[in-house]
Formats: sequence, structure tokens, C-alpha cells
Amino acid sequence: NAGVTQTPKFQVLKTGQSMTLQCAQDMNHNSMYWYRQDPGMGLRLIYYSASEGTTDKGEVPNGYNVSRLNKREFSLRLESAAPSQTSVYFCASSDYSTGSGYNSPLHFGNGTRLTVT
Amino acid sequence: AQKITQTQPGMFVQEKEAVTLDCTYDTSDQSYGLFWYKQPSSGEMIFLIYQGSYDEQNATEGRYSLNFQKARKSANLVISASQLGDSAMYFCAILSYNTDKLIFGTGTRLQVFP
Repeated sequence: NAGVTQTPKFQVLKTGQSMTLQCAQDMNHNSMYWYRQDPGMGLRLIYYSASEGTTDKGEVPNGYNVSRLNKREFSLRLESAAPSQTSVYFCASSDYSTGSGYNSPLHFGNGTRLTVT
Repeated sequence: AQKITQTQPGMFVQEKEAVTLDCTYDTSDQSYGLFWYKQPSSGEMIFLIYQGSYDEQNATEGRYSLNFQKARKSANLVISASQLGDSAMYFCAILSYNTDKLIFGTGTRLQVFP
């Protein structure tokens, strides 16, 4: 059971380059999330998707776009990378939108460590 | 709108002692959930405990308990009988039942010493 799979694990970009971070879950969850975590800091919500076909901004959406391709996949795109986007990016999924299972964890991917030079 | 505040950047506790990690929140939702996660130096997020806004009793999970004071909008984590392995970052989080938006606080670094 793979859970939440993120690719790539590591990436180095130059300022202005673009890239897409991929995330897929195999737990049939409705809700998916993208967070970034800067060194020594908490997780900040970038975008989330409560169901297939919907996406909403989180706390720090500027400079990012997302696509909920289907129920399994939720991708994050950086159109023009900046050094301020150097961070570890976590994708997560949950079953919360069904109205049950609140007493259960977010399922996190292993993270993508992104460096923008 | 949701907001989570953790005012303690770092805490120290001696092994076998209890420690309280503070968390206050603000939300316009009537229905919400509160969570605590632990992040050791290895980086994974470990779910510790959950409290629903309508739950009248404080949640407990082993050595972890959540001191929920709804009127004060606080959801402090109490760890009893601290162990060296409890040294980690601890994050409080709030989930809106209405929108599924889930945000985290800035965290508290707990260090347990012998």
C-alpha cells in the first residue's frame, strides 16, 4: 500500500525555471493538500482540494498553481521559480470531507526538497 | 478565517516530568477539529491526538492529552512522563469541517533532558 507518493524527492532549479511537483494517493481520499516547510518552521498551506474538480487557496498561494487531475492526483506547479520558494514541499491527503474519520491523521508524502538558486 | 498560534518556540523538560505545549486558535467556523502532530528530526509527521469542537471531554491518547478550553480558544498538549524520544518539533493544527482547510502553527521544539 503506497499511500501518498510525491515526485521528485529532490530538485534544483535556477531562478525563472518552471517545474511541476507530482502527488498521487491510492487511498481514495477526497481531500488533498500542498504544504511548504521552511527550515525550523511550521507547515504553511499553499493550496488544497476538498474534492475532485475543486481547488482553493491556502495561506501562501502566490507563485504557485495547482491541478486536481483526478481523484488520485494533485500537482503543484511553479511557473517561474524564485529563491524564496526554496523549501521542502509536502503533499497530504485525508478522508475528512466524507464527514467521518476526523480522528485520523493526514497522510503525508515523503516530501520534495526544492532548491532555487 | 482560521489562525493557529504557538507562542513557545522552544521548551525544555526533564525526563519523566510532564510538560504542556501551548496552542491557541481563532476560527469563524462553528465546527472544527484540532490536532497535534510530532515531527522528529527525521522529518516525518506523526499524528498524536485529535479533538472535535463538539467533544465535551478532553481527548487522551496514552501519554498525550489535549486540554481543550473552547471559551478560551485554547488546545494545549500535555505530555506526561516525558521520554528522551519525545524530543521533536510539535505542531498544533486546525481543520475547518466546512471547507476541509487545515492549517498548522509554527511549532514548538521540545527537548527532553536526562
